[in-house]
Amino acid sequence: GNSVTQMEGPVTLSEEAFLTINCTYTATGYPSLFWYVQYPGEGLQLLLKATKADDKGSNKGFEATYRKETTSFHLEKGSVQVSDSAVYFCALTSSGGSYIPTFGRGTSLIVHP
Amino acid sequence: NAGVMQNPRHLVRRRGQEARLRCSPMKGHSHVYWYRQLPEEGLKFMVYLQKENIIDESGMPKERFSAEFPKEGPSILRIQQVVRGDSAAYFCASSPPTSGIEAFFGQGTRLTVV
Repeated sequence: GNSVTQMEGPVTLSEEAFLTINCTYTATGYPSLFWYVQYPGEGLQLLLKATKADDKGSNKGFEATYRKETTSFHLEKGSVQVSDSAVYFCALTSSGGSYIPTFGRGTSLIVHP
Repeated sequence: NAGVMQNPRHLVRRRGQEARLRCSPMKGHSHVYWYRQLPEEGLKFMVYLQKENIIDESGMPKERFSAEFPKEGPSILRIQQVVRGDSAAYFCASSPPTSGIEAFFGQGTRLTVV
């Protein structure tokens, strides 16, 4: 079956620090990969996505590259801000029959001024 | 194009009552998913529905929980005889019947059982 593994949080950083949140996956077929962000009390919002190998998704300074050889989709940002404090979820949907989005457990990011 | 609409946003029920959560998917989306999120935990898949059909309910508790997505109207997640352990945030997401397209989430319903 499909599964997504994320690094455990919380990740605590100072403002302007470099961010990496690791994500690896197992999937049937050819998955599409996503990062979602959840702010306190809110639903999940799509942050970025990549639908095939070597694609790079990017948005609001965040980037992630679809690495088929390592089955990874790590999230990075060069300089985080306090407003980036949230929970980040890595997810996939697979072309192998089921449309059900599969999520990692989420990684909490806390950015201090 | 309105997003995924969930209501109510907050719901308080006494133990033993029924909770009914509603979700209207985005226009053009025929796939609906329900997830449960407990404090400090990730999203747990509950059920996947298409119009008038339950496609996958492998994440639904065997008792007290049911879901439907009728031909007309919103999808409904129903919890009968609620217990304190049902307190959680319940999220609905929808997507079109196309692979590679992300699911769009509602704001969630926060259920508190007292």
